[in-house]
Amino acid sequence: DIQMTQSPSSVSASVGDRVTITCQASQGLSTWLAWYQQKPGKAPKLLIHGAYNLQSGVPSRFSGIGSGTDFTLTISSLQPEDFATYYCQQSHSFPFTFGPGTKVDIK
Amino acid sequence: QVQLQESGPGLVKPSQTLSLTCTVSGGSISSGSYFWSWIRQPAGKGLEWIGRIFTSGDANYNPSLKSRVTLSVDTSRNQFSLKLDSVTAADTAVFYCAREAVVAGGAFDVWGQGTVVTVSS
Repeated sequence: DIQMTQSPSSVSASVGDRVTITCQASQGLSTWLAWYQQKPGKAPKLLIHGAYNLQSGVPSRFSGIGSGTDFTLTISSLQPEDFATYYCQQSHSFPFTFGPGTKVDIK
Repeated sequence: QVQLQESGPGLVKPSQTLSLTCTVSGGSISSGSYFWSWIRQPAGKGLEWIGRIFTSGDANYNPSLKSRVTLSVDTSRNQFSLKLDSVTAADTAVFYCAREAVVAGGAFDVWGQGTVVTVSS
């Protein structure tokens, strides 16, 4: 299985801050990497697919970059509705696997 | 727009079979290039992909669960289903059904709201 790691595991930030989350894969993924946002009691929501493609309807303050084994999700200016847990997911090889998540909470 | 809704028992006894169905509304399960997946999340933990099925019936499974999982699809009912055999307390989780869009490179672009399944006697 491809192992996914994320850092940091949690981050405290303020509204307006720039937040960066990294995701590393144990094997090369090319750009078969997605990012999701999950709020408590809700299903995950797709933000980014193909490492850098913004999903329709997702605000442009979210961006993704990377290829191979190292990927980054950036929130350029954190908004109140962005406090949530973020997961990366690889679809390069079966079984599809997710990172352990990064919780973004209020400083 | 397409919506997914999970249904099934919320409580299953140990050693029994967990059965869930996902109903697709707002579109045909057979239209477009999509796979239909199940994903679970134990309380307070991360996400685990269980498997996916295409409308042809072809399926892929997570090897960690493959011996216990069966996926099926009923295009006439616009549904797909999950069966997980010989459950234990470790299978207690929120179960999500999700659509995987080929155009989105294997990402899950539509999710059900999730259903809580507890394994307990």
